[in-house]
Parts: sequence; structure tokens; C-alpha cells
Amino acid sequence: DTAVSQTPKYLVTQMGNDKSIKCEQNLGHDTMYWYKQDSKKFLKIMFSYNNKELIINETVPNRFSPKSPDKAHLNLHINSLELGDSAVYFCASSQGTGLSYEQYFGPGTRLTVT
Amino acid sequence: QQQVKQSPQSLIVQKGGISIINCAYENTAFDYFPWYQQFPGKGPALLIAIRPDVSEKKEGRFTISFNKSAKQFSLHIMDSQPGDSATYFCAASLARDDKIIFGKGTRLHILP
Repeated sequence: DTAVSQTPKYLVTQMGNDKSIKCEQNLGHDTMYWYKQDSKKFLKIMFSYNNKELIINETVPNRFSPKSPDKAHLNLHINSLELGDSAVYFCASSQGTGLSYEQYFGPGTRLTVT
Repeated sequence: QQQVKQSPQSLIVQKGGISIINCAYENTAFDYFPWYQQFPGKGPALLIAIRPDVSEKKEGRFTISFNKSAKQFSLHIMDSQPGDSATYFCAASLARDDKIIFGKGTRLHILP
């Protein structure tokens, strides 16, 4: 049983398009996150939600909009895609806010913008 | 400003040897220091973590050594195995922020 799942696993699209990445966790966790991992493997947090409420919003372009329909889902919508958006995007979840809770990562979505 | 500096960028170790990865941090307020392991095509997974009130934590073949005064911590993998070949990330965070700052990663390769 997959704890944190993401779809799609691969996404190839052209500049200017709008795309969404979906994330679901079946761990009953209250907090979910989106991370971006660039080509050099650098991993950086983008957003976190706790019980559908935005907690962390790093300096991410407003072309990126997370949406949490319920606490088991956190989707990432990206408008007007740019070449620099190419990366692997990871969803993660944890039991609650506060770092005493381990974060569980999904398998990642590799986004390629051409 | 890179708040967590990790070295080396890549590391090759013979099977059975000791793998050592070092990290240094800048923010003295950090209070949680996890290490994550990432295999190709997979998401990172928590390997071991330490808080600054202890100087060492050991779990099986994996040990974190923590030096609060030097603002440094390291991961030691004893009796390294080919299955340990992965990218390792050190990280630091403030519990109240719920935000993990990752190092740039170390690609570890264990020779069979």
C-alpha cells in the first residue's frame, strides 16, 4: 500500500501551458508539503498545509498554486510553465506540524518543460 | 545564503569501509537535525535524526555525531554495503517553523 502517492510520475509539456500534479496520502496525516528538487538534487520546500490551511509559503512564483480539497490531498497547479520549472516535485506528509513528526515523501513527479 | 553546508558532494567507499558525510549549519536556533536517504527514482526517506541536547545517536550501522559548539554534525555508516549506495541529505530545522532546510546532498557509491 502506497503511503504517499503522486500522479503523474512523468510530465512533459511546452512552455506556457498550465499543468497540475496530484498528491494523496493514506496515512491519516494532518500536514502535507510540496518540495522542488532541481537538476543538482537540491531539495527545497515550497508549501505546507495543515488541515487544509496554508502554513508555509516560500518565495515561490504565484504561478504555483497549491490546492487542498481535503486533508488527504494536496494538489499543485502551475500556470504559464517556464523552462526553469523543470524539476522533480515531491509531495510529503507528516502527522502534524512540528519536526518531531517524520515527513514521508512520495515518489516524485519529474516535470520537463520544453 | 546556504544555511546547511554538506560535504563531500560525492563519495566512493569500499564495501566494509566507513562512509563519513559532514554537515555544518549557521543558525544556532536550529533544534532538529535529520538525515535523509534517497535512492534513484524515489523520494527521500528519513534515516536517522538527532536533537542538539545529545552528542551522538546510533541506529544499527548508522551514527550521527553532533558538535554543538562547532555547529557541525556528521553521518557515519559503518561496514558500508553496496545497498547503501544512494544520495544522503543532511538537514536542519526549527520545530516551530515546521520547515526543513536541506544540504545539497552527497552521492555515495559503495564498491562491491
